[in-house]
Amino acid sequence: RKEVEQDPGPFNVPEGATVAFNCTYSNSASQSFFWYRQDCRKEPKLLMSVYSSGNEDGRFTAQLNRASQYISLLIRDSKLSDSATYLCVSERSSYKLIFGSGTRLLVRP
Amino acid sequence: EAGVAQSPRYKIIEKRQSVAFWCNPISGHATLYWYQQILGQGPKLLIQFQNNGVVDDSQLPKDRFSAERLKGVDSTLKIQPAKLEDSAVYLCASSLDRTATIPGEQYFGPGTRLTVT
Repeated sequence: RKEVEQDPGPFNVPEGATVAFNCTYSNSASQSFFWYRQDCRKEPKLLMSVYSSGNEDGRFTAQLNRASQYISLLIRDSKLSDSATYLCVSERSSYKLIFGSGTRLLVRP
Repeated sequence: EAGVAQSPRYKIIEKRQSVAFWCNPISGHATLYWYQQILGQGPKLLIQFQNNGVVDDSQLPKDRFSAERLKGVDSTLKIQPAKLEDSAVYLCASSLDRTATIPGEQYFGPGTRLTVT
């Protein structure tokens, strides 16, 4: 079993839609969590951190549920430019990041 | 601010040959990482340096992979001999000291796309 698991998708949604991704993690010792975004054939970039209290950044909302060991990302009012792969990431000690395989999002006109 | 630089961007070799990748992190970043990203998967950490010391190399296949970071700046990753399953994108990333950055923020280079035939 992978330490961080995600639905690979793709999620195909129209512009303006709201879409949610979930991921689960198996290592209860994981300390911090993040969402990274990776465009096709590009490098990953940090999208946002994930906190138990919830974290909102514009149209993006991330949430952590430690009891159930899952992380979510909600995107409201989807834009064409949101099309990318979203990587769920957990952090162990010593800044070691464990990446999920990613969820692919396609936003259509 | 210049980003993480990597070269070459693409490399095609035959199995059993050797190959080397180079990375120059963002100036001042003490921590440097090498990741392997196989198509359809997320990046997998191969080795992590703090300055010129190794912090974690638990997932580095040491029988064929080696890495060094001389003088705590540039780094090279070498594969010798290469296997077909080494075909992947090799990403270099760097980060500042923990107290001086957003937790979890690593800056990635554009990667080297390796094809082993």
